[in-house]
Amino acid sequence: SQQGEEDPQALSIQEGENATMNCSYKTSINNLQWYRQNSGRGLVHLILIRSNEREKHSGRLRVTLDTSKKSSSLLITASRAADTASYFCATDEAGGFKTIFGAGTRLFVKA
Amino acid sequence: NAGVTQTPKFRVLKTGQSMTLLCAQDMNHEYMYWYRQDPGMGLRLIHYSVGEGTTAKGEVPDGYNVSRLKKQNFLLGLESAAPSQTSVYFCASSDPHRTGANNEQFFGPGTRLTVL
Repeated sequence: SQQGEEDPQALSIQEGENATMNCSYKTSINNLQWYRQNSGRGLVHLILIRSNEREKHSGRLRVTLDTSKKSSSLLITASRAADTASYFCATDEAGGFKTIFGAGTRLFVKA
Repeated sequence: NAGVTQTPKFRVLKTGQSMTLLCAQDMNHEYMYWYRQDPGMGLRLIHYSVGEGTTAKGEVPDGYNVSRLKKQNFLLGLESAAPSQTSVYFCASSDPHRTGANNEQFFGPGTRLTVL
């Protein structure tokens, strides 16, 4: 079964608006990562947050992590049409070698 | 640097045929992974390797075999293809030892496989 589950499955917003995607997971983790996938391409790493961190920023991205609720959120501020893609959360299980990906959120930003 | 490359980009097989997908990385990464991605789903781990000569099963290993004879290459084999193996296959590599606890993975462009 998948570790991370994203919510919503799909999101459509206007350019300039903020986009928020959520991820829930089931077991203890070392890190949680967010990746982006453009249509027909491989995944690209966006940001990583460690289990002892609560918030992290990178450019227009803001990630939060709540280990007590086993959840994370990705906020993209001032969205652009070029942000249109699928976004996946991925968890590195504590003590393991594997990274488990969720099903993703499809974001569509209308110009 | 080319990063992670995959060969071939597309392939159509008939049920029962065999094939090998090749993944190569030039970043000297220790870890390599094979995933499959089906419509509406995230990536599911097939097999992975934490070093040359070692392999391990992931979530969905049945029907696949792998080999890591050289550090830079990770091969995924289908011995007898089935329509259920129609998917997009992604290879990735990482090196958490080099980047601390960060297991950022670098992905190839994918191989689209159709089994008729």
